[in-house]
Amino acid sequence: GAGVSQSPSNKVTEKGKDVELRCDPISGHTALYWYRQRLGQGLEFLIYFQGNSAPDKSGLPSDRFSAERTGESVSTLTIQRTQQEDSAVYLCASSFGTSGTDTQYFGPGTRLTVL
Amino acid sequence: GQQLNQSPQSMFIQEGEDVSMNCTSSSIFNTWLWYKQDPGEGPVLLIALYKAGELTSNGRLTAQFGITRKDSFLNISASIPSDVGIYFCAGWSANAGGTSYGKLTFGQGTILTVHP
Repeated sequence: GAGVSQSPSNKVTEKGKDVELRCDPISGHTALYWYRQRLGQGLEFLIYFQGNSAPDKSGLPSDRFSAERTGESVSTLTIQRTQQEDSAVYLCASSFGTSGTDTQYFGPGTRLTVL
Repeated sequence: GQQLNQSPQSMFIQEGEDVSMNCTSSSIFNTWLWYKQDPGEGPVLLIALYKAGELTSNGRLTAQFGITRKDSFLNISASIPSDVGIYFCAGWSANAGGTSYGKLTFGQGTILTVHP
């Protein structure tokens, strides 16, 4: 079916507010990843989920960032008490697994602007 | 953590010219990937390399996995305007006991501009 979808496509918020970003992976993909892309930069790994295993949260920059995934479906990335430095494009990707041959398919991203 | 150094940061070329970009790492990767990102979209996989020394082509694109497993290059021949975008290298490590397992490490990107 469809590729990875993300919502909203754009989010403008005020400093200190909480935001929730949503990712719908490709059906059947057990692995789901979140990345952050600052302007003019490469992709920075945040967190990944693989099936029912505990998520790898090693890339989350602070405890203001958290993510959840229900089974092998939708994931939500939450940023609490947003700061201007959180402004970036947040990209989600999914794949069948986490091996080096499992292609990660990316969504279009959510552009977050913190005023 | 692992870091990838990608160069050049940007390129301005004429249509029809060939392009070359590369990535180097201080540590070994088991898989090298090259992605292209168009404005407002997520990266799309162009070429995947799984074996040291491997040379793989996809149309006008050719990429190689370095023998040392610490580098890779991407060539684009006879560039066309639709080649414009940002190109990223990415590496994947099979070091299951390490912090990088299962995750891709991305380079900083090469911004390609093609003048008609």
